[in-house]
Amino acid sequence: DTAVSQTPKYLVTQMGNDKSIKCEQNLGHDTMYWYKQDSKKFLKIMFSYNNKELIINETVPNRFSPKSPDKAHLNLHINSLELGDSAVYFCASSPSGQGSGYTFGSGTRLTVV
Amino acid sequence: SQQGEEDPQALSIQEGENATMNCSYKTSINNLQWYRQNSGRGLVHLILIRSNEREKHSGRLRVTLDTSKKSSSLLITASRAADTASYFCATDAGGNTPLVFGKGTRLSVIA
Repeated sequence: DTAVSQTPKYLVTQMGNDKSIKCEQNLGHDTMYWYKQDSKKFLKIMFSYNNKELIINETVPNRFSPKSPDKAHLNLHINSLELGDSAVYFCASSPSGQGSGYTFGSGTRLTVV
Repeated sequence: SQQGEEDPQALSIQEGENATMNCSYKTSINNLQWYRQNSGRGLVHLILIRSNEREKHSGRLRVTLDTSKKSSSLLITASRAADTASYFCATDAGGNTPLVFGKGTRLSVIA
């Protein structure tokens, strides 16, 4: 059983399109995250949700909108895609409380052409 | 802003040798974690060391933490070709703040 699963694994789309990436975790964790990894492998936090509520919203264009229908799911919707959005997007989860490692999904490679 | 900085950026060693990677950070932390990322895959949690700990072991991994110098090191002993991956340190400042990752060290272990 995959602990944190993301779909799709690859996404190629044209500029201006709207796309969604789905994430589900079956670990019973309370907190979920979206990270963006750029071409230089730098990982940057985008959003953090705890029990379906937004906790962290870093400086991310409002074209990116996370949605958490329940604490096991955190989806990422992106409007009006731009070339600079091309990256690998990782979903992760962790239990509540301090000092816990994160469990990451395998990533979604988004290519905007 | 970015918290951790790994050093070196890339490291190439022979199988059987030890690999040491260093991480420096800027602000106070609750704990520091190390992750491995194989090419094209997600990150895998390796080890966590709390701010009141100085050293921790897990199998062939040894992590040290020096909070006075705001630095940590990851030692992989008796490296194997399968250890080839990128290694990231990540700092946890506590509260609701998410992990902040460094840029990573790319380790190549040559058989």
